[in-house]
Amino acid sequence: AQSVTQPDIHITVSEGASLELRCNYSYGATPYLFWYVQSPGQGLQLLLKYFSGDTLVQGIKGFEAEFKRSQSSFNLRKPSVHWSDAAEYFCAVVGYNNNDMRFGAGTRLTVKP
Amino acid sequence: KAGVTQTPRYLIKTRGQQVTLSCSPISGHRSVSWYQQTPGQGLQFLFEYFSETQRNKGNFPGRFSGRQFSNSRSEMNVSTLELGDSALYLCASSARVRSDTQYFGPGTRLTVL
Repeated sequence: AQSVTQPDIHITVSEGASLELRCNYSYGATPYLFWYVQSPGQGLQLLLKYFSGDTLVQGIKGFEAEFKRSQSSFNLRKPSVHWSDAAEYFCAVVGYNNNDMRFGAGTRLTVKP
Repeated sequence: KAGVTQTPRYLIKTRGQQVTLSCSPISGHRSVSWYQQTPGQGLQFLFEYFSETQRNKGNFPGRFSGRQFSNSRSEMNVSTLELGDSALYLCASSARVRSDTQYFGPGTRLTVL
């Protein structure tokens, strides 16, 4: 069955520290992969996506993600976190030929001053 | 380009009533998908419309329905509301029906009393 796992429900980092949010997927073939961010009471904003090609993807707000086929992972990283990055982050997958997007449970990021 | 808009932003209903939510996609986008977000179940796919046709449907009861108009605007309807229908309902639009990047609206917060 198709599934997305975000192992970390909540992560706390200090401002200026690096960040890595984990995402693993289970899918019949390589799906299309996304990271979205959601601020409280808001919709989802696309950070970055992977369809094919270079496995290191650059996104907005200084985020990047690396697709690792052998590990079925698509982890999100940022070298230096800002207080404004505090939000909930969702990893999502879409299979080829459909738009039925499956989401992970989300990782809530808290940034300490 | 204007983003995805959803109306109303907040709604309070009582059990047994019905509700209609509206979504206007990004100009030029022909695919509209709906998602339900709750603390317990996370983000779940409801259905997708493309060119006024339902292309895909998630695992929700028949009380949840939708439609799309010729201008790509979409509505979803929930009949005979239950307490468990309280959620944030998100609409997303994309240019194509297959495996395309989805852009989300701010959501409609539905509270069922």
